[in-house]
Amino acid sequence: QQPVQSPQAVILREGEDAVINCSSSKALYSVHWYRQKHGEAPVFLMILLKGGEQKGHEKISASFNEKKQQSSLYLTASQLSYSGTYFCGTLDDTGKLIFGQGTTLQVKP
Amino acid sequence: NAGVTQTPKFQVLKTGQSMTLQCAQDMNHNSMYWYRQDPGMGLRLIYYSASEGTTDKGEVPNGYNVSRLNKREFSLRLESAAPSQTSVYFCASSEWGQGATIYFGEGSWLTVV
Repeated sequence: QQPVQSPQAVILREGEDAVINCSSSKALYSVHWYRQKHGEAPVFLMILLKGGEQKGHEKISASFNEKKQQSSLYLTASQLSYSGTYFCGTLDDTGKLIFGQGTTLQVKP
Repeated sequence: NAGVTQTPKFQVLKTGQSMTLQCAQDMNHNSMYWYRQDPGMGLRLIYYSASEGTTDKGEVPNGYNVSRLNKREFSLRLESAAPSQTSVYFCASSEWGQGATIYFGEGSWLTVV
């Protein structure tokens, strides 16, 4: 089942912070975060694993609440280059990665 | 470093025609995926292959077939293209496991008229 992301869209000024949320109705083993720029392929940002291990981007952080089956992506002091669509994906026990519907982030000067 | 390579990059088909999208990865990954992305929408899984010789349906498999030819290659076939299959198709690959990063190809833009 597809994870649900919120909000659907965010508009920020440079330097502002944003939080993108991802929730699932199924138990989560891991949460993957990707960013996609228009006309390009998704690019890996971060993986959060059950048990707390985090792998990924040095300027973007995330949390993973296994009990609530939720993850949040934190973008602090946003830059113009952060603009794009952010997707969370959840990996089920058969190895399939299912993505949420995406959150569009626009950072303005 | 080629990574995940998809061909063709652009294709226009007439309704009812067939075609195969090719995907190859050079990272020795076990798992491979095919996704489609409609304009302004998210990525939807069409088919998944956990290893050579195995395939599994994803969220939207109808109208598609796949072949995991060997460990490197995973092809997607449209037997009778329909306008509803107009989309961008992404192939991806990864190691097996919850902590494995998934790498995407550059995408194939398909228009069915």
